[in-house]
Amino acid sequence: SAVISQKPSRDICQRGTSLTIQCQVDSQVTMMFWYRQQPGQSLTLIATANQGSEATYESGFVIDKFPISRPNLTFSTLTVSNMSPEDSSIYLCSVLITPGQALYTFGSGTRLTVV
Amino acid sequence: QKEVEQNSGPLSVPEGAIASLNCTYSDRGSQSFFWYRQYSGKSPELIMFIYSNGDKEDGRFTAQLNKASQYVSLLIRDSQPSDSATYLCAVNYWTSYDKVIFGPGTSLSVIP
Repeated sequence: SAVISQKPSRDICQRGTSLTIQCQVDSQVTMMFWYRQQPGQSLTLIATANQGSEATYESGFVIDKFPISRPNLTFSTLTVSNMSPEDSSIYLCSVLITPGQALYTFGSGTRLTVV
Repeated sequence: QKEVEQNSGPLSVPEGAIASLNCTYSDRGSQSFFWYRQYSGKSPELIMFIYSNGDKEDGRFTAQLNKASQYVSLLIRDSQPSDSATYLCAVNYWTSYDKVIFGPGTSLSVIP
């Protein structure tokens, strides 16, 4: 199955700044997904990133706050913009490893703390 | 609003016992169901998936699916302390492509 490398693994950021998280996959994948996991909570889908088109955002998430790039079939970035302490979460990249069976694998995550 | 619900935890079982984790979902069109295990500070790890009604066994794990009742469960036999983790139920739904939504998770603690 696909292996995902996610960077940085953790960061502490000042409020009002932005952080870009990178996700690199060792094989070409059509769709990449970005999730957020707030402390003590489950995973919430932020957006779906397809190569060559704009990302599709879930309800409650907007492009201005979470811009996403998908320049090729193995790489994506998620930027958390104008951060506030409420953005402190784990951000996870995920890819679909078996189309038609909806099987996913996750990167190791980025633990973000905003102070 | 598509929802996935799980039995509230934390759930504590003695070592060697059977742990039973339950999940219900709202979208009757869902076809794929997953159980992920998440250790503290780690990312989720897929441990079971099931697509058809009935039981699916893999080692000490058994997933059970009842689409009519919109219910899926995970049984862990001979529970071990290493099974202590949060278990996330996930269900697919189709828009223009497959998406997966996650339940809130159930924390399991296996007591030696």
